[in-house]
Amino acid sequence: DIVVTQSPDSLAVSLGERATINCKSSQSLLSTSNNKNYLAWYRQKPGQPPNLLMYWASIRESGVPDRFSGSGSGTDFSLTISSLQAEDVAVYYCQQYYNTPYSFGQGTKVEIK
Amino acid sequence: EVQLVESGGGLVQPGGSLRLSCAASGFILSSYAIYWFRQTPGKGLQWVSGISGSGGITAYADSVKGRFTISRDNSQNTVSLQMNSLRAEDTGAYFCAKDLFPHSYSIRGPSDYWGQGTLVTVSS
Repeated sequence: DIVVTQSPDSLAVSLGERATINCKSSQSLLSTSNNKNYLAWYRQKPGQPPNLLMYWASIRESGVPDRFSGSGSGTDFSLTISSLQAEDVAVYYCQQYYNTPYSFGQGTKVEIK
Repeated sequence: EVQLVESGGGLVQPGGSLRLSCAASGFILSSYAIYWFRQTPGKGLQWVSGISGSGGITAYADSVKGRFTISRDNSQNTVSLQMNSLRAEDTGAYFCAKDLFPHSYSIRGPSDYWGQGTLVTVSS
């Protein structure tokens, strides 16, 4: 099974500042057949289900603000919030959908400093 | 508007059974794979099972293989998860979610719409 590990476990950032979350996979998520990385990012606010932010590692889901961006390839990925807003306080997860079981990272809690 | 609504959760004794249902609306169910996830304080978010739009392809996490069965009735716009031989470690909030991409014959994608979840508690 593919193991996905996020860092850090928690992050405190001032409003308007940049936040970066890392995600590392135990094996490559890059498909040689279509040159796409099978990696998604979600945001989960308390009491709500996860909300899809990014897929193919760097494609923003419809309606997601452009302060969110994803990067990386192979086994190493990042999610960056360029200017943290109050509504971004949440837990963020990466998920690989390359092979079943489609595993998640343990989550990164983002708070306001 | 796309909606997914889970039902069927509750309190069950170890070794017991529950059947979760996911009622879908606002999209053509047969065109999309549907997944079940669960969330627990101890193990975080876990993918549990998936079924293709046609129902011909299914997959399970190792921890539930042989105990859980996923199925769908596209004519009734529902997806079900039959859970047998339940264990304490199956306790958690269970979510159904829709694949982002149309997949009649595949289960491989992120999930763009999720239900609000149903709580399963396995305890004596």
